[in-house]
Amino acid sequence: DVKVTQSSRYLVKRTGEKVFLECVQDMDHENMFWYRQDPGLGLRLIYFSYDVKMKEKGDIPEGYSVSREKKERFSLILESASTNQTSMYLCASSFVNLNTEAFFGQGTRLTVV
Amino acid sequence: GESVGLHLPTLSVQEGDNSIINCAYSNSASDYFIWYKQESGKGPQFIIDIRSNMDKRQGQRVTVLLNKTVKHLSLQIAATQPGDSAVYFCAENMGTYKYIFGTGTRLKVLA
Repeated sequence: DVKVTQSSRYLVKRTGEKVFLECVQDMDHENMFWYRQDPGLGLRLIYFSYDVKMKEKGDIPEGYSVSREKKERFSLILESASTNQTSMYLCASSFVNLNTEAFFGQGTRLTVV
Repeated sequence: GESVGLHLPTLSVQEGDNSIINCAYSNSASDYFIWYKQESGKGPQFIIDIRSNMDKRQGQRVTVLLNKTVKHLSLQIAATQPGDSAVYFCAENMGTYKYIFGTGTRLKVLA
């Protein structure tokens, strides 16, 4: 079974803190994604990576950065957390082949106070 | 509790009945579609997919129908069970890395 593991289920951080969300996949997938999920808005893509050290901005990259130093690991960084970044964050991975499903982690619910 | 589903349309179905969940997709160029199930507090889980050269695909207790003319996708769940209670959403893909996700429908199974 494909496994995508996010380091934390729940996080509470203070405004202005630097926050790291970690994601690891064990299926040797080339593609990795970070989404946020908010009520009524569905999943919105923050960043995408198709290879080690490669990254592409998604639809809502402002306030975020990412790091992919190893194929299996994709990190999302909130440089200075703000209350409007309170959300559910979902990591996903997929093969580079077109028309394949994305596999998701269990999600990290981040609250910024 | 999980707040993801607060504003979602809800489908209530009696246990044992069939469920039909609908999705209107946005891009006529999309050629691959996926249905996901998301239980409270968990990440989305793949259910079934379909490519644009098909109009129907069946899995175990689930069937996906694709109508490209009206850009409509549906998920049918046979003999709905309490464990089917979740949020269901569709995703479309145009053969790129980008998936476009629907906002979802909450399925409630009544005992």
